[in-house]
Amino acid sequence: AQKITQTQPGMFVQEKEAVTLDCTYDTSDPSYGLFWYKQPSSGEMIFLIYQGSYDQQNATEGRYSLNFQKARKSANLVISASQLGDSAMYFCAMRGSGGSNYKLTFGKGTLLTVNP
Amino acid sequence: DVKVTQSSRYLVKRTGEKVFLECVQDMDHENMFWYRQDPGLGLRLIYFSYDVKMKEKGDIPEGYSVSREKKERFSLILESASTNQTSMYLCASSLSQVHYEQYFGPGTRLTVT
Repeated sequence: AQKITQTQPGMFVQEKEAVTLDCTYDTSDPSYGLFWYKQPSSGEMIFLIYQGSYDQQNATEGRYSLNFQKARKSANLVISASQLGDSAMYFCAMRGSGGSNYKLTFGKGTLLTVNP
Repeated sequence: DVKVTQSSRYLVKRTGEKVFLECVQDMDHENMFWYRQDPGLGLRLIYFSYDVKMKEKGDIPEGYSVSREKKERFSLILESASTNQTSMYLCASSLSQVHYEQYFGPGTRLTVT
């Protein structure tokens, strides 16, 4: 079974500063992938970034980067130069391998608030 | 851009009613998913479908059924709505079994009274 743990129910950051949102995972699959999604107050889930377990480099997408530490089973999201529009819920998710490798398991989320 | 639409943004139903939630995607995606989202619990998978007329149970299928008669449409059915099914319901789709990114609809907030 796969499990995603997000230990920070809420985080605060000042505008223009960087922030790290924590995510740890547990799986016995040899191949897996990790995602981060953003959910603003409007409710729609927005895909941010993806990291495959065999990817050699950490994924980056604009101001988002994924700090992937395989041995520690962590996949933290780093947002650089925070903006007010970054205020939202952030979910870490994982896909496994095998027959249903396109299913995702989600963590419980972290509510990020960016202060002006 | 991928577009996933859901039939209602807000829905209020009475206990015991049969409820249909509709989801349509316009990008010829193979896979479609229904999740429910509750505060403090994150997203939990109810059912998913990897092809027309094919479905698999997710983590919490009890009290729900699904239908996928056409590739673009995936329906979630609450056979007899109960108050504990009051929740936000999110539909998602993904292109194929090797394209994992899921695209989500805006969600339906269902209240069962």
